[in-house]
Amino acid sequence: DTEVTQTPKHLVMGMTNKKSLKCEQHMGHRAMYWYKQKAKKPPELMFVYSYEKLSINESVPSRFSPECPNSSLLNLHLHALQPEDSALYLCASSQDSGGMVQYFGAGTRLSVL
Amino acid sequence: DAKTTQPPSMDCAEGRAANLPCNHSTISGNEYVYWYRQIHSQGPQYIIHGLKNNETNEMASLIITEDRKSSTLILPHATLRDTAVYYCIVMTTDSWGKLQFGAGTQVVVTP
Repeated sequence: DTEVTQTPKHLVMGMTNKKSLKCEQHMGHRAMYWYKQKAKKPPELMFVYSYEKLSINESVPSRFSPECPNSSLLNLHLHALQPEDSALYLCASSQDSGGMVQYFGAGTRLSVL
Repeated sequence: DAKTTQPPSMDCAEGRAANLPCNHSTISGNEYVYWYRQIHSQGPQYIIHGLKNNETNEMASLIITEDRKSSTLILPHATLRDTAVYYCIVMTTDSWGKLQFGAGTQVVVTP
């Protein structure tokens, strides 16, 4: 099983809402990632978790708050987002923290109104 | 600065081999070449990677030139399902998993 599951698939939220994106993998991977992808652009790394600890934050605004409750789950909490935050949010996992072979979920398409 | 250069788009006929070039003239000795693809409305998918030897798996073949300044991803028998954006990425194994995607090549396979 090489599946990374992301929920929800689509999300529409207002600028004052609080919502969360969820990512799950059962491959025993110890590193998990969040990427952001704007339309017609390549994915951009946001956060890296290694062994359930945040190891890389690519200068992401604090309105995005990641959380790794356990080795299989990764959440991205959203609060006070702006319309320019509308994008496809991708989750990935890899066997270890240096993993360049990453398995991606299908993403959550977020629209901020 | 971009580490790789890829053509923005390519067309390929179904059933024919698709040869996707990537230029990485500033590659250093400990950097690998990775290829990913992203089919529309899906997440990226790992295809193959290599250091200096040619590599083959069930999806594709990777040919790296002797001077390692360029490489070619070969899809031996392209199908319509291979229509995607293909990304060539050059990274060391101690990059902390920081995949850096470039613009990629949009490959369209036509019947």
